[in-house]
Amino acid sequence: DAKTTQPPSMDCAEGRAANLPCNHSTISGNEYVYWYRQIHSQGPQYIIHGLKNNETNEMASLIITEDRKSSTLILPHATLRDTAVYYCIVRVAPSNQAGTALIFGKGTTLSVSS
Amino acid sequence: GAVVSQHPSRVICKSGTSVKIECRSLDFQATTMFWYRQFPKQSLMLMATSNEGSKATYEQGVEKDKFLINHASLTLSTLTVTSAHPEDSSFYICSAEDTLGQYFGPGTRLTVT
Repeated sequence: DAKTTQPPSMDCAEGRAANLPCNHSTISGNEYVYWYRQIHSQGPQYIIHGLKNNETNEMASLIITEDRKSSTLILPHATLRDTAVYYCIVRVAPSNQAGTALIFGKGTTLSVSS
Repeated sequence: GAVVSQHPSRVICKSGTSVKIECRSLDFQATTMFWYRQFPKQSLMLMATSNEGSKATYEQGVEKDKFLINHASLTLSTLTVTSAHPEDSSFYICSAEDTLGQYFGPGTRLTVT
């Protein structure tokens, strides 16, 4: 899987949008961008994923640049409960490459404060 | 949505004893399950890939005789930490995969005294 680069930490005020960047300059054409987050002492939670189009769900939006070399996860209205470590991971879709584990980097620690 | 459970959520054991951790996919069948380990303030490290009905594949540096993995059904994989030592104290997390994605359990906190 291609490697990703994320800032180690970010701060955000409660109620504001949190924009978490991720660089994946060596991403392959068939690799998706996945975002997970891990709240302290819990298992990782899936947030969103995308291939090249922007995606939005009830949790977040994912903006992928046209050259696919970077992306941004957007939490539109951050709350205290969004404080967590956010991981950006690139991999081939499970339907195309079953049995390949997600490999986690160091992620970005997002701290949301009131 | 896809739910993965782990049991127990936390366990304390004495040095030299063995501990078994269960990982279950509750509402889907998982041909493949994965086991991770996480030390304080570090990221998740993949330990092994568990395939139903076959031997697990271990990552480099993970002792297969110490961390026994059994994946006897499409909904259950177990990790047994044998002859546990204090350095095995960690947060163990499993995940299960279907065609849509990989889903994680809540983790098991193991403390070896």
